[in-house]
Amino acid sequence: DGGITQSPKYLFRKEGQNVTLSCEQNLNHDAMYWYRQDPGQGLRLIYYSQIVNDFQKGDIAEGYSVSREKKESFPLTVTSAQKNPTAFYLCASSPHLAGGPNEQFFGPGTRLTVL
Amino acid sequence: LAKTTQPISMDSYEGQEVNITCSHNNIATNDYITWYQQFPSQGPRFIIQGYKTKVTNEVASLFIPADRKSSTLSLPRVSLSDTAVYYCLVGDNNNAGNMLTFGGGTRLMVKP
Repeated sequence: DGGITQSPKYLFRKEGQNVTLSCEQNLNHDAMYWYRQDPGQGLRLIYYSQIVNDFQKGDIAEGYSVSREKKESFPLTVTSAQKNPTAFYLCASSPHLAGGPNEQFFGPGTRLTVL
Repeated sequence: LAKTTQPISMDSYEGQEVNITCSHNNIATNDYITWYQQFPSQGPRFIIQGYKTKVTNEVASLFIPADRKSSTLSLPRVSLSDTAVYYCLVGDNNNAGNMLTFGGGTRLMVKP
């Protein structure tokens, strides 16, 4: 089945620890995205990548880091510098780089709780 | 970035048609209008996308007037399972300077 997967579904961490959230897609999409969602709120863009080995900051990149070494994978690291990391994290991908409509496909999300 | 304004919440009853209007006064020439649906603790799901006039698919219709400064998502004969948050997005996702941006969305509650 083609799709986008995130792991783990639930993640707990202690304050001061870095944690990495996984995102994998087998849709052959060029672009990938990370969003954060707080309770009752919309999605906010953390980072996005339009091609391998390239990524750009979104609206709330502080305290987060990403890498894009492979087309299929776009892991997100939540660092200890992120002041309020407890949230629902969503990864998405979209097909092409240039021109026209461009639907984003979302993964099931990872709920991160800092203890 | 093109910003959108949509109602915070709406109530409806099963079997009714629901219309959710989104305002996007500063939409750019290359921007598309996209609607997503999100259930609690799930990722958003694409509903429909359009550029102008009317688009219809198996789940919804999207009406876009000539000036493109607003759009209306129409859900025919809603059911309880349509209770969700609906997001209107405007942008050109292929333009790094004009990424699609999710706002707060419209919480639709469908009652029996």
